[in-house]
Amino acid sequence: QKEVEQDPGPLSVPEGAIVSLNCTYSNSAFQYFMWYRQYSRKGPELLMYTYSSGNKEDGRFTAQVDKSSKYISLFIRDSQPSDSATYLCAMSAGGGGNKLTFGTGTQLKVEL
Amino acid sequence: GAVVSQHPSRVICKSGTSVKIECRSLDFQATTMFWYRQFPKKSLMLMATSNEGSKATYEQGVEKDKFLINHASLTLSTLTVTSAHPEDSSFYICSAEDVRETQYFGPGTRLLVL
Repeated sequence: QKEVEQDPGPLSVPEGAIVSLNCTYSNSAFQYFMWYRQYSRKGPELLMYTYSSGNKEDGRFTAQVDKSSKYISLFIRDSQPSDSATYLCAMSAGGGGNKLTFGTGTQLKVEL
Repeated sequence: GAVVSQHPSRVICKSGTSVKIECRSLDFQATTMFWYRQFPKKSLMLMATSNEGSKATYEQGVEKDKFLINHASLTLSTLTVTSAHPEDSSFYICSAEDVRETQYFGPGTRLLVL
């Protein structure tokens, strides 16, 4: 079993839809949770960063962490074609120089 | 803020030659930088953790003599692929960790070894 599970997709939605992306994990030591967006042939771009359980909102993006269920989510409201990318969840136990454990990434396509 | 650059963005080299990739944190200091490799449609694979002023820590299965890492300053780490072979062709991405322990990624370097 992988430490972090993420549905690879592809996920195709119409423009304006609410997108829900999810990851589950098995390591209870993880405390820091991140979502990265990666366009084709580019480096990952940090979208959201959360510590422990709870919600965090930034514009059209909302990140949720449920440590009791070991489940994290990223919601994208009013999705746009420019949101089409691969979304990677990542997490770590914390501490300087701590390695990130990534999900496999979910490929999202927002269609006109 | 939190910009990480990589140079070159793309490189083609002949088999047997060495290639150096630079990773710079442009607007913050990074005690720790990471080097990743990514295959098409796959997630990032951590190769090594680079700490300023000390030897890099390599992941299991990564040849340290082949992938030389130097973290000479708080804003610069370099990865040198020595005696490159076609199987080393890949997308190499670095990240730099800021004081909040958040990793910011560079744009990646596409290496093609002929």
